[in-house]
Amino acid sequence: KQEVTQIPAALSVPEGENLVLNCSFTDSAIYNLQWFRQDPGKGLTSLLLIQSSQREQTSGRLNASLDKSSGRSTLYIAASQPGDSATYLCAVGSYQLTFGKGTKLSVIP
Amino acid sequence: GAVVSQHPSWVICKSGTSVKIECRSLDFQATTMFWYRQFPKQSLMLMATSNEGSKATYEQGVEKDKFLINHASLTLSTLTVTSAHPEDSSFYICSARIDGNEQFFGPGTRLTVL
Repeated sequence: KQEVTQIPAALSVPEGENLVLNCSFTDSAIYNLQWFRQDPGKGLTSLLLIQSSQREQTSGRLNASLDKSSGRSTLYIAASQPGDSATYLCAVGSYQLTFGKGTKLSVIP
Repeated sequence: GAVVSQHPSWVICKSGTSVKIECRSLDFQATTMFWYRQFPKQSLMLMATSNEGSKATYEQGVEKDKFLINHASLTLSTLTVTSAHPEDSSFYICSARIDGNEQFFGPGTRLTVL
């Protein structure tokens, strides 16, 4: 059974810092890995999708990498802003997704 | 991008009543829709997978007679929580999958059962 772990559970950084969120999974035979953002009481916004044949994806200040052999993915956020404050979830799978518990990010002005 | 809506966004009901939640794909047709449940400070847990025109497939531990799912068209799936009890209070989120691998999520429905 696939298990997804996200570390740290919470992170607080000053505005402008670069930061890295981590995601690990137990079954490396995944198809895709997807990073989401969730604001309090809201649904999920898809940030980046890395397909199994890819190693990374970039969108604006976000960069996600995938290392299937080690069962790890990282989400890099450059020049963090207060508006980036949210919970970030990673999920693996294709047809069905298995989610981690998320990392709650607070960017302090 | 693809947009998925849910209605209602929040609902409060008395114990023993039934509640219906709608999930719609607004600008695309979704052959598959998923229903998730999220308890406070927990991750999303898949409840069931529904394909248009066929019976939903439920995850282990999810009561199919309590959580009725209907996927009558390519743009609409409904989740009915029957005889709701306080322990059913949760955040319910649907997602829709189009051809390919990406899922698009709705804004969620907060259910509170008194």
